[in-house]
Amino acid sequence: EAQVTQNPRYLITVTGKKLTVTCSQNMNHEYMSWYRQDPGLGLRQIYYSMNVEVTDKGDVPEGYKVSRKEKRNFPLILESPSPNQTSLYFCASQGARSSYNEQFFGPGTRLTVL
Amino acid sequence: GNSVTQMEGPVTLSEEAFLTINCTYTATGYPSLFWYVQYPGEGLQLLLKATKADDKGSNKGFEATYRKETTSFHLEKGSVQVSDSAVYFCALRVKDTGRRALTFGSGTRLQVQP
Repeated sequence: EAQVTQNPRYLITVTGKKLTVTCSQNMNHEYMSWYRQDPGLGLRQIYYSMNVEVTDKGDVPEGYKVSRKEKRNFPLILESPSPNQTSLYFCASQGARSSYNEQFFGPGTRLTVL
Repeated sequence: GNSVTQMEGPVTLSEEAFLTINCTYTATGYPSLFWYVQYPGEGLQLLLKATKADDKGSNKGFEATYRKETTSFHLEKGSVQVSDSAVYFCALRVKDTGRRALTFGSGTRLQVQP
């Protein structure tokens, strides 16, 4: 089954404790992206990656890092989480053939930073 | 910049009622328009899309028409079911060289009562 998976689905942590949210897709997609969803704001793009070793900032990259060492994986790293990063995070992927192809979303990771 | 405005929810309807969720947009360039649906505890799924003016996207009984003159993409369904209860997001994407960021509205929660 074609899918995007994220782990963990739920995470409660404390300020300053480094964490990683993993994202993996099994569709051999070149493009992957991270969004955060906050009430009243919809989804906002954090980082994206066009292919292995190619990443770039989205609209709200501050406080986040990403890496793309393998095509299927695109982890989101919070080196020193802060309470304003409490949010619902979604990973998405898309094939390269057309820029209007559907983006597939993972199930989301709900992060709480105390 | 790009932005999407949706009617605020929640929208509460009885089963078999007619549904309209309004969506208007502003965009630099010529966007493609999308409706995504998020069921409880799940990621976003593409519901329908339209890539040029006067196109009608349709899926699962939902429809939306790309109206360039009114910059709108309203979602409609003739007869809603309890299983349609979800959050609906209107989104746009302007063709670019790689970022492929979707600009989302804030989402509209639909509750359908039996």
